[in-house]
Amino acid sequence: DAMVIQNPRYQVTQFGKPVTLSCSQTLNHNVMYWYQQKSSQAPKLLFHYYDKDFNNEADTPDNFQSRRPNTSFCFLDIRSPGLGDAAMYLCATSRGFAGLSSYEQYFGPGTRLTVT
Amino acid sequence: DQQVKQNSPSLSVQEGRISILNCDYTNSMFDYFLWYKKYPAEGPTFLISISSIKDKNEDGRFTVFLNKSAKHLSLHIVPSQPGDSAVYFCAASLYGNKLVFGAGTILRVKS
Repeated sequence: DAMVIQNPRYQVTQFGKPVTLSCSQTLNHNVMYWYQQKSSQAPKLLFHYYDKDFNNEADTPDNFQSRRPNTSFCFLDIRSPGLGDAAMYLCATSRGFAGLSSYEQYFGPGTRLTVT
Repeated sequence: DQQVKQNSPSLSVQEGRISILNCDYTNSMFDYFLWYKKYPAEGPTFLISISSIKDKNEDGRFTVFLNKSAKHLSLHIVPSQPGDSAVYFCAASLYGNKLVFGAGTILRVKS
């Protein structure tokens, strides 16, 4: 089945220790997104890639970086995690800007990040 | 500022009855609206959507209504089933670029 896969599902890191979260997709979608979701809050878009074009949200901290080495994979790097970065991180994909079907995003199961 | 609001954190409904989940938005330029459903330990899954040029879209037990003048949309589930118990997110899009989500409503369907 075509899907969005996130690894690991649970990640524990120490305060200030760099961490990388991984996302892969078999949907062959052009666009990949990273969201941060804290408890009882709306998922918040951090950035997205349209193919190789990176689009950062204005309020995304510099501490968060992303890489997309190819169509299938996208990584979220947190350079110096703080306690406030503990959250669920969701990866999503979409077809791209080709009609209304492109609006629909397909989500992975998320990675729960704990910062100790 | 929250452009998409779901003012009810939770809703409890008896099996077989109607569930109505509400969502309000502030940006009149949003052109597409979506509802997502999320079970614990899973990512959100797409449920139903509606374009801003329509006022109703139906898919089986699920119907979404859009009232543009009131900047309000709602999701109706009829009849509600225990398997519908989940968190429901409303989302809005501007020209397909990205989605703005509400904080979600927890629906509990009691059998």
